[in-house]
Amino acid sequence: DIQMTQSPSSVSASVGDRVTITCRASQGISSWLAWYQQKPGKAPKLLIYAASSLQSGVPSRFSGSGSGTDFTLTISSLQPEDFATYYCQQANSFPVGFGQGTKVEIK
Amino acid sequence: EVQLVESGGGLVQPGGSLRLSCAASGFTFSSYEMNWVRQAPGKGLEWVSYISSSGSTIYYADSVKGRFTISRDNAKNSLYLQMNSLRAEDTAVYYCARELIAAAGHAMGGFDYWGQGTLVTVSS
Repeated sequence: DIQMTQSPSSVSASVGDRVTITCRASQGISSWLAWYQQKPGKAPKLLIYAASSLQSGVPSRFSGSGSGTDFTLTISSLQPEDFATYYCQQANSFPVGFGQGTKVEIK
Repeated sequence: EVQLVESGGGLVQPGGSLRLSCAASGFTFSSYEMNWVRQAPGKGLEWVSYISSSGSTIYYADSVKGRFTISRDNAKNSLYLQMNSLRAEDTAVYYCARELIAAAGHAMGGFDYWGQGTLVTVSS
């Protein structure tokens, strides 16, 4: 099974900051990686698919990069509504795997 | 408008059974692969099961293999998860999630629509 490891597990940031979250796969997954945002009590929301493709309706301050085993989600200028938990997910093979999550908190 | 609405959650004793349903609307259900994903209280996301658009291909997480059964009824626009031999560690919010597909019809890797979730609590 492919293991997904996110870092950091939490980050404190201010509005306007640039935030970067990394995700590492235990083996190569090409570009089969998605990123989600989840707020408390809500279902996850797809932000990025195929490692770098922005899902329709998602603000352009979100971007994804990487291929193979190392991936990055970047929020270019953090907004108040971006405080949430972010998950990566590998879609290369079954079983599908999620990272453990990164909580973005207000500094 | 795409909607996924789960139902069937509740409190069940260890060893018991429960059947979850996910009613889909606003899209051609029979064209989409579907998944179940769960989230234990205060924990991260865990993928549970996948079913192809026709129902001919199915996968399970090791943690539920042999106990859970995914199925679908395309005529009723519905997805199901039959859960048997439930354990305390199955306690979670269960979400149904639609696989993102490209215009050409192939999966793009990612779940673009999720239901609101239904809570399953396994406890005596």
